[in-house]
Amino acid sequence: DIVMTQSPDSLAVSLGERATINCKSSQSVLYSSNNKNSVAWYQQKPGQPPKLLIYWASTRESGVPDRFTGSGSGTDFTLTISSLQAEDVAVYYCQQFYGSSRRTFGQGTKVEIK
Amino acid sequence: QVQLVQSGAEVKKPGASVKVSCKASGYTFTDYHIHWVRQAPGQGLEWMGWINPSSGGTKFAQNFQGRVTMTSDTSITTAYMELNSLTSDDTAIYYCARENWYFNFWGRGTLVTVSS
Repeated sequence: DIVMTQSPDSLAVSLGERATINCKSSQSVLYSSNNKNSVAWYQQKPGQPPKLLIYWASTRESGVPDRFTGSGSGTDFTLTISSLQAEDVAVYYCQQFYGSSRRTFGQGTKVEIK
Repeated sequence: QVQLVQSGAEVKKPGASVKVSCKASGYTFTDYHIHWVRQAPGQGLEWMGWINPSSGGTKFAQNFQGRVTMTSDTSITTAYMELNSLTSDDTAIYYCARENWYFNFWGRGTLVTVSS
């Protein structure tokens, strides 16, 4: 199975500052049929199900603020929150959906306000 | 609009089984796989497996092979996840999610508590 490893496990960022979360896959998740990387990012707030933010590594889901940006390719991926807002306090997960593989999530990164 | 409505909370004894349902609406049920993901208290997301409602085909995480069954009833657009031989480690919120490669729709979750 493909292992997804996130870093850091937690981070504290001042309001208006940038937050960066990294995710590394144990093998390439580049889907050859469309030349896109099979990585999604989710945000989860307490008591709620996860919410899709980014898919195909860099495509923002409809309605997601443009301060959320996904980037990366191959095995290394990043979620950036350009200007942290109070409502962004949450746990963030990366996930791979490569081909017909078993799906796996990263362990999560908790984002707090400094 | 797409909705996934899950069954209510369950309390089970160790060794028992639990069956959680996920009622889909707002789209063609047989067009998308349904996945199950669980989350133990204070822990991360753990993918369990998927079912293809069109064919009934399934795929499971290795951790759950032999202990989980996923089924669907297309007549009532409902997917089911049954987990056997429960232990306290199975205490978690169980989510269903609709796949479009990624998971763009999720149920609200079903809390399963395993306690003697």
